Amino acid sequence: SQQGEEDPQALSIQEGENATMNCSYKTSINNLQWYRQNSGRGLVHLILIRSNEREKHSGRLRVTLDTSKKSSSLLITASRAADTASYFCATVLQAGTALIFGKGTTLSVSS
Amino acid sequence: GAVVSQHPSRVICKSGTSVKIECRSLDFQATTMFWYRQFPKQSLMLMATSNEGSKATYEQGVEKDKFLINHASLTLSTLTVTSAHPEDSSFYICSAKDRRGGPDTQYFGPGTRLTVL
Repeated sequence: SQQGEEDPQALSIQEGENATMNCSYKTSINNLQWYRQNSGRGLVHLILIRSNEREKHSGRLRVTLDTSKKSSSLLITASRAADTASYFCATVLQAGTALIFGKGTTLSVSS
Repeated sequence: GAVVSQHPSRVICKSGTSVKIECRSLDFQATTMFWYRQFPKQSLMLMATSNEGSKATYEQGVEKDKFLINHASLTLSTLTVTSAHPEDSSFYICSAKDRRGGPDTQYFGPGTRLTVL
């Protein structure tokens, strides 16, 4: 089953621009996580935000969570060509259970 | 940091044969491992939850007799795709929970690409 829906499905920007991806989900969550996946490769964990948190930062990443709207956003500032990848949000409904992934956003950053 | 390995990384097999994929936690013990499947240009779909010493819990629509999961030790879970068909061609990814870590501590393997001819 899938819980998250990301938008946009695809995003193309120039280096130096900011990229914003959104994720909506359907049920109450324990936490929400963002992952990156380069083409044909494994997952890289980016950031985790808990249901009682509203915003977190990690380097050029900024994640927000609005539990009332059941949505989250991932902002990548000053994007680089190396940021080109697919980005997935994943929710955890109860602590210790599996991640449920959204459909993902494919980001292309051109130099 | 915690490392999860998968073997093999790529496998090509003929239709009708069985393929075993291993997922190992290299430097931690994992009471729970999860198996996901990813078709090209799609997201990861949870297939099953594997708990050490007990039967796996399969997601709706996943055939337990076709995808055999064994979690015989705290560091190894295996997924066997039985009587593989071309539609089983996919990217299979496991993740493992560190028993010493918090409930959100999951580590992903690098994935196994299965191609069934």
